Amino acid sequence: AQSVAQPEDQVNVAEGNPLTVKCTYSVSGNPYLFWYVQYPNRGLQFLLKYITGDNLVKGSYGFEAEFNKSQTSFHLKKPSALVSDSALYFCAVRDLGSGGYQKVTFGTGTKLQVIP
Amino acid sequence: NAGVTQTPKFQVLKTGQSMTLQCAQDMNHNSMYWYRQDPGMGLRLIYYSASEGTTDKGEVPNGYNVSRLNKREFSLRLESAAPSQTSVYFCASRTGTTNEKLFFGSGTQLSVL
Repeated sequence: AQSVAQPEDQVNVAEGNPLTVKCTYSVSGNPYLFWYVQYPNRGLQFLLKYITGDNLVKGSYGFEAEFNKSQTSFHLKKPSALVSDSALYFCAVRDLGSGGYQKVTFGTGTKLQVIP
Repeated sequence: NAGVTQTPKFQVLKTGQSMTLQCAQDMNHNSMYWYRQDPGMGLRLIYYSASEGTTDKGEVPNGYNVSRLNKREFSLRLESAAPSQTSVYFCASRTGTTNEKLFFGSGTQLSVL
């Protein structure tokens, strides 16, 4: 069964500093990996995805993520955090190798707090 | 430019009552999903529909039923609501694999007393 782990409930970072939000995954086949962001009282919005190709993917609002197959990780990064980046971030996976390959499974979410 | 529309936005039920959450998308997507969001639990998949006429269980299907009425609509029904079903419910639809992403509705906040 596919699964996603986000080991940190909350990440605090000072404005202007680099940020990392961690994600590891477990699948039986090839993964499609995603990051979504949720602002208060809103639905989730797509940030970026890895499907194939370059391990470093770039997305919206200056975010990027690195796919590492050997470590089964897909950490979200940004070189310089903004206060407006404060939100709830979710990692998600779709396992192309499983019978239920249409399922999209989310992690528990990481709250990012950028301190002015 | 509606995207994914969910109704209602808020609902309060008494234990044992039934209700249906409605979801419609206007993007011609094949796949649709229902999730519930609870503090500390993230988003958990209740049911999904890979295409019109098919539905499959997710991680937490007990106490729920779904109907994929047509390509646009995917409804979630609580037959006999329980306090454990108090949650925020999100519907989503998914584009194809060439530019894959989920589009989410704005959510339904459900309280079961």
